[in-house]
Amino acid sequence: DADVTQTPRNRITKTGKRIMLECSQTKGHDRMYWYRQDPGLGLRLIYYSFDVKDINKGEISDGYSVSRQAQAKFSLSLESAIPNQTALYFCATSDPRDRLGTDTQYFGPGTRLTVL
Amino acid sequence: AQSVTQPDIHITVSEGASLELRCNYSYGATPYLFWYVQSPGQGLQLLLKYFSGDTLVQGIKGFEAEFKRSQSSFNLRKPSVHWSDAAEYFCAVNQAGTALIFGKGTTLSVSS
Repeated sequence: DADVTQTPRNRITKTGKRIMLECSQTKGHDRMYWYRQDPGLGLRLIYYSFDVKDINKGEISDGYSVSRQAQAKFSLSLESAIPNQTALYFCATSDPRDRLGTDTQYFGPGTRLTVL
Repeated sequence: AQSVTQPDIHITVSEGASLELRCNYSYGATPYLFWYVQSPGQGLQLLLKYFSGDTLVQGIKGFEAEFKRSQSSFNLRKPSVHWSDAAEYFCAVNQAGTALIFGKGTTLSVSS
């Protein structure tokens, strides 16, 4: 079974709709992240959380919100989706206490979101 | 501000030929550096990482990367490319206490 799972894997929605993307992990990591990927722009950080009580904005948080329901779950919401939020969204997890102390991030398979 | 630059957007290499993907970073302290690969329709897989010590790092799938502090570079290499290596490659630097900063990626095509 995958260590980091994302649901749904694909979603098509309309402008103005509220959308929630979910991420779950079985790696036992405290840190979780949401990124979006756009062609030619690489991955950009939306939000990150270092533990259940910690939420931080990333580079491009406008139009998004997050909820850390438990150590293993981190959800990303688009309150009112717009077409330029069409992108591939990735969740990632890390552990700063990993064997090498490098806080390596491990990624989920991604959610492809299309906003019409 | 920290940044990562991958100068090549797209590279085509013949199968069996050697490969080098370039990555330059801007970071004040000694960085943690990563290379990830994204196959078509897939998520990101960690190829290798550098955090300290030996500047030549070995990774999975026959890849290696060399950290050169004087050039602020962390180039990815493979001596002989296989068709299955066709993918998008991302270089990233760990910004202490926050999250990864990614380059914009290099797409590798492999010709027969």
